[in-house]
Amino acid sequence: NAGVTQTPKFRVLKTGQSMTLLCAQDMNHEYMYWYRQDPGMGLRLIHYSVGEGTTAKGEVPDGYNVSRLKKQNFLLGLESAAPSQTSVYFCASSLSHSPLHFGNGTRLTVT
Amino acid sequence: AQSVSQHNHHVILSEAASLELGCNYSYGGTVNLFWYVQYPGQHLQLLLKYFSGDPLVKGIKGFEAEFIKSKFSFNLRKPSVQWSDTAEYFCAVNKVSSNTGKLIFGQGTTLQVKP
Repeated sequence: NAGVTQTPKFRVLKTGQSMTLLCAQDMNHEYMYWYRQDPGMGLRLIHYSVGEGTTAKGEVPDGYNVSRLKKQNFLLGLESAAPSQTSVYFCASSLSHSPLHFGNGTRLTVT
Repeated sequence: AQSVSQHNHHVILSEAASLELGCNYSYGGTVNLFWYVQYPGQHLQLLLKYFSGDPLVKGIKGFEAEFIKSKFSFNLRKPSVQWSDTAEYFCAVNKVSSNTGKLIFGQGTTLQVKP
């Protein structure tokens, strides 16, 4: 039982490049979330999903897209990376209103 | 918009000192409340949660928090901190009516415990 697994752990992109962050959970959770963590700002919700095939915008969705084609996977895409997207990205999953289970994070640097 | 405020951004204590970290939220409806801890280089882990019932909740590692509904507060306490408590602490709120489970986080408090 791995919990929430994020890949990759680290990535450096040049401005304008694209990439996809993968999140996988093996707990059969309905809800999945993508947060970004920046110093002094806590965690801010980018996008979330309440079930397979559904996604919704969070607090800071601009510049990101997501997909939830399978219940266990939640992908976060950056189509054209910008330096402002340099951050640590955390995926999380949960049952309804239960505590979130977090992955180990992806540290992304955009130069 | 709903917000969560943590009053202390950086706290420095000596071992055995008592700890209290403040957390206030602005949403007026029914909420679930959480405290998470993030040790250096690690992901967030749940310390404790409040859903309903006794407003004084106990969590792992000797932490507790008190929900005061009239003050919209959920302060975290520990009577005697240890060096291993050095970490960042996040308060988070979930609106029960949202049916999404999503959490709104405070800005975080960095706790440094000196040995």
